[in-house]
Amino acid sequence: QKEVEQNSGPLSVPEGAIASLNCTYSDRGSQSFFWYRQYSGKSPELIMFIYSNGDKEDGRFTAQLNKASQYVSLLIRDSQPSDSATYLCAVTHSGGGADGLTFGKGTHLIIQP
Amino acid sequence: DAGVTQSPTHLIKTRGQHVTLRCSPISGHKSVSWYQQVLGQGPQFIFQYYEKEERGRGNFPDRFSARQFPNYSSELNVNALLLGDSALYLCASSLTLVNEAFFGQGTRLTVV
Repeated sequence: QKEVEQNSGPLSVPEGAIASLNCTYSDRGSQSFFWYRQYSGKSPELIMFIYSNGDKEDGRFTAQLNKASQYVSLLIRDSQPSDSATYLCAVTHSGGGADGLTFGKGTHLIIQP
Repeated sequence: DAGVTQSPTHLIKTRGQHVTLRCSPISGHKSVSWYQQVLGQGPQFIFQYYEKEERGRGNFPDRFSARQFPNYSSELNVNALLLGDSALYLCASSLTLVNEAFFGQGTRLTVV
C-alpha cells in the first residue's frame, strides 16, 4: 500500500512567522513530489514541486526533499492570513506517473493575525 | 490562457442514475486525470489518460469509466450511482504523464 502521511492539524502559526508542514511517504521509489493548497470549498492549487533531494525556493515558499528519510516538507516564510488553508502533499510513484498522484489527507493551517 | 475547465460545477442525482462529467485540459496538455475527493480526505486517483489511451486506473469499481477525445478533453462516467459517490470530482491536466498536474474547479456531485 503506497501511503502519504500528513499531520491533519490544525497547525496554528502567528502572522509573520514561519509555517512548517511535513509529509512522509512509504514508496521508496516515489519520483516526484508536490504541494497543493486548497481553500475550503475550492479545488487544489499547485504551489510547489520538487524532484531532487535538497531545497527548492519560490518566493515565500521552500520545499525540502530527503529521499533517504522519505520525507518532504514545505516552509512558508512571513506567513499571512491568506495562507490559511489545507495543504496537501502528493507524490508520484515508480510507475512513470501512470498511477496518478497519491495524496495525503492534508494539514489544516491557520495563520493567526 | 484558460485553465482546466470542468462542467457542470454542481450536480444532484438520484441513486441508481448515471452521470457524465466533462473536462477540458489546458491548451497543449495531453494528459488528463480524474480524482474523487470526499470531505476531510485528500483526492483519490480514479483514472489517467494520455494521448487518448488509459494509462492508469485507481481502486474504483467498474461503475466508473472514462475516455479522452482527440482534442484531449475527457469525460468521466459513473453508472448506478450510490450515496457514497457524493463527492467533489476533480480533473487535472498535465503536459505528459510525469509533469506537474493542474486542477480544474471540480464538479460537486450530490447523490440523494
